[in-house]
Amino acid sequence: NAGVTQTPKFRILKIGQSMTLQCTQDMNHNYMYWYRQDPGMGLKLIYYSVGAGITDKGEVPNGYNVSRSTTEDFPLRLELAAPSQTSVYFCASRDLAGSGNTIYFGEGSWLTVV
Amino acid sequence: DQQVKQNSPSLSVQEGRISILNCDYTNSMFDYFLWYKKYPAEGPTFLISISSIKDKNEDGRFTVFLNKSAKHLSLHIVPSQPGDSAVYFCAASARSGGSNYKLTFGKGTLLTVNP
Repeated sequence: NAGVTQTPKFRILKIGQSMTLQCTQDMNHNYMYWYRQDPGMGLKLIYYSVGAGITDKGEVPNGYNVSRSTTEDFPLRLELAAPSQTSVYFCASRDLAGSGNTIYFGEGSWLTVV
Repeated sequence: DQQVKQNSPSLSVQEGRISILNCDYTNSMFDYFLWYKKYPAEGPTFLISISSIKDKNEDGRFTVFLNKSAKHLSLHIVPSQPGDSAVYFCAASARSGGSNYKLTFGKGTLLTVNP
């Protein structure tokens, strides 16, 4: 039972480099999310999507981009990596009906920008 | 402005005793509350939730209490076990007003259960 799968698990980037964090879910969930967690802080919403072809900004979208071409995939793009983007990134998904507000998280991607 | 506050960064309890984790919120539009548990190097996992139409929800050793007038909720774990040692996040959402999709998280409380 895969659930929400994120890759890579760990990555070190140099300032100015770009990369994409991949996220896929096999639960046919409509809603998908990207959160970041900084040390000692709660989870902050970066971007979310309510369905294929629809994305919107969360609390901290600057420096990131997303796309949602399929129900399953929700990649997060960092175009010009900055040290402030050093964080743990969590992808999550949620069913539109039945499960209320329960959000299911991936295992996280640890990103360091040096 | 933090809308969901967990004022205790850490809590240490003895195995077999009760653990009480607290959470306060400021947004009166919040009407659904959840607790997530997170082990190191893993994603948060859903633990228990409560709707604002209730004041208590129980699931095995875990009970969540909601006091709407005080904008306060708490998670009780009885009896506490060493495997409960983790970071616990309180989260809230407002089902009306178009914000049903978003969860607002607190900073988390690190629970340590000592054998």
